[in-house]
Amino acid sequence: GIQVEQSPPDLILQEGANSTLRCNFSDSVNNLQWFHQNPWGQLINLFYIPSGTKQNGRLSATTVATERYSLLYISSSQTTDSGVYFCAALTGFQKLVFGTGTRLLVSP
Amino acid sequence: NAGVTQTPKFRILKIGQSMTLQCAQDMNHNYMYWYRQDPGMGLKLIYYSVGAGITDKGEVPNGYNVSRSTTEDFPLRLELAAPSQTSVYFCASSYSGPSGVYNEQFFGPGTRLTVL
Repeated sequence: GIQVEQSPPDLILQEGANSTLRCNFSDSVNNLQWFHQNPWGQLINLFYIPSGTKQNGRLSATTVATERYSLLYISSSQTTDSGVYFCAALTGFQKLVFGTGTRLLVSP
Repeated sequence: NAGVTQTPKFRILKIGQSMTLQCAQDMNHNYMYWYRQDPGMGLKLIYYSVGAGITDKGEVPNGYNVSRSTTEDFPLRLELAAPSQTSVYFCASSYSGPSGVYNEQFFGPGTRLTVL
């Protein structure tokens, strides 16, 4: 089955810094989702992005489907951005295959 | 809309006990899913359903059963609980129309289950 890899596994930032998270997938996918899992465990939808670029406030995402990767950009990071960021590839029957996540800590 | 709701939020089971995790959605989504998340890991698909009366196995179905009698509800049954089933369980739903266009999945708040 498809493999989804995320990097880096851990990231520590000072408040106000920018960062780029990467998601590689091993095969063609129908779509790609990015999630933020906050410290309370809740999964928050960030982007649903099969290709191209989308922006939402300080966050943006780019998926290059032909090269099988997606990037999540976080600008001017805030302490509330802390948590785990997951990408998940959408395969047949809308099944999501998750990566192992990037754990982000933003310190004040 | 409440979105995807799950009950209970927390549960402790003894080895060999059984329980049902409840999941409901009010978005009229046809697809529903159960995932589990082990510590420090991503989510893995247990079972999914493409509509009432239709279910199928995901990546890690052993030890679980599901049923889907209505569009809104998708309960997950654990029979003979084992310590390996200690995990956080997430329910999700999505909509796919006649054209087959894929849409994003929305997740419930999760149920934290401990088996001792």
